[in-house]
Amino acid sequence: AQSVTQPDIHITVSEGASLELRCNYSYGATPYLFWYVQSPGQGLQLLLKYFSGDTLVQGIKGFEAEFKRSQSSFNLRKPSVHWSDAAEYFCAVGVRGNMLTFGGGTRLMVKP
Amino acid sequence: GAVVSQHPSWVICKSGTSVKIECRSLDFQATTMFWYRQFPKQSLMLMATSNEGSKATYEQGVEKDKFLINHASLTLSTLTVTSAHPEDSSFYICSASGDRDDYVQYFGPGTRLTVT
Repeated sequence: AQSVTQPDIHITVSEGASLELRCNYSYGATPYLFWYVQSPGQGLQLLLKYFSGDTLVQGIKGFEAEFKRSQSSFNLRKPSVHWSDAAEYFCAVGVRGNMLTFGGGTRLMVKP
Repeated sequence: GAVVSQHPSWVICKSGTSVKIECRSLDFQATTMFWYRQFPKQSLMLMATSNEGSKATYEQGVEKDKFLINHASLTLSTLTVTSAHPEDSSFYICSASGDRDDYVQYFGPGTRLTVT
């Protein structure tokens, strides 16, 4: 069965610093991979997705993610974090019938 | 584009009553809709998947008679929590996928249900 692991439950970075959120997956086939962001009390917003092709994908709000098949990873990065990026971030892998399996989430806090 | 709405955004009901939550895709046709439940500081738990015009497929452990799902059209799905109890209090989120972007789910803003 597929699974998604986000090893970091909480991450705190200073505003302006770079950010990397880790995501590892386990899936028997070529995965569809997603990163979503959730602000408190809100639904999820799609940041970016990987289906195939270039392993470095660009998303909204200045985020990017790199698919590394050898490491079964799809880490999310941003070169300079803004205070408004504070939120919960979810990595997900797409499986049968458009279904998603989510990781446990990483809560990002931004220090001024 | 790819906007999904939910109504209501929050609801308080008394134990034993039923509550209906609506999920609408506003600018695309949603062939598949999903209902999730999220507990505080936790990830999303898939409750059920529904395809337009078909019965919903429930995940293991989700009571289909308690959580009634109707996907009546390509833009509307409803979740009815029947005979609600305090333990049903949670954040319910719907998502939709369809003709806009294969394999992508677009999420609604969620509904906070509190059962007193």
